[in-house]
Amino acid sequence: KNEVEQSPQNLTAQEGEFITINCSYSVGISALHWLQQHPGGGIVSLFMLSSGKKKHGRLIATINIQEKHSSLHITASHPRDSAVYICAVKAPPMDSNYQLIWGAGTKLIIKP
Amino acid sequence: SQTIHQWPATLVQPVGSPLSLECTVEGTSNPNLYWYRQAAGRGLQLLFYSVGIGQISSEVPQNLSASRPQDRQFILSSKKLLLSDSGFYLCAWSRGPSMQGYTFGSGTRLTVV
Repeated sequence: KNEVEQSPQNLTAQEGEFITINCSYSVGISALHWLQQHPGGGIVSLFMLSSGKKKHGRLIATINIQEKHSSLHITASHPRDSAVYICAVKAPPMDSNYQLIWGAGTKLIIKP
Repeated sequence: SQTIHQWPATLVQPVGSPLSLECTVEGTSNPNLYWYRQAAGRGLQLLFYSVGIGQISSEVPQNLSASRPQDRQFILSSKKLLLSDSGFYLCAWSRGPSMQGYTFGSGTRLTVV
């Protein structure tokens, strides 16, 4: 079982729909990242969370440390939101490992 | 503001040829630097990371090597490319062990023929 699981793997929705992408992890973490990979390959960091909720424009990220679960929400989705959304977690500072543990990504397609 | 530059954007190289991909960061000092590879349809795999000049940690045994000759320069190299080295290579940087401000370069799509 992967330490970071994302669901769904693929998601197709109509423009305007509310989108939720989930990330569950099985390890202790100090932070969780949500990233967006565009069709051309470029990756953009959207959020880094260690607790609670963050909002940026139409994007909202939440994390529940006790349940080891995070969600990324997109309100009023638009075709330009089509991308792969990746969740990655960072082990606590006492672990000198600099690796992020990566989810496999969720491929989102928003149809006009 | 901080920026990260990675080049070239695409590269087609024959098997057995050498490789050099360069990544530079501007606007910060002593960044943590990373090289990732993403095979087609797969997730990101950390290849190397560096916490300082001349300090390289390898995460996966492979045909590649990395060097950090200057604080904000990170180079990925190979003496002889293999077909299996094809993929999308991404450089990234972050501030310290908290990995605050994790930022990726635009990537290099390498095809070994």
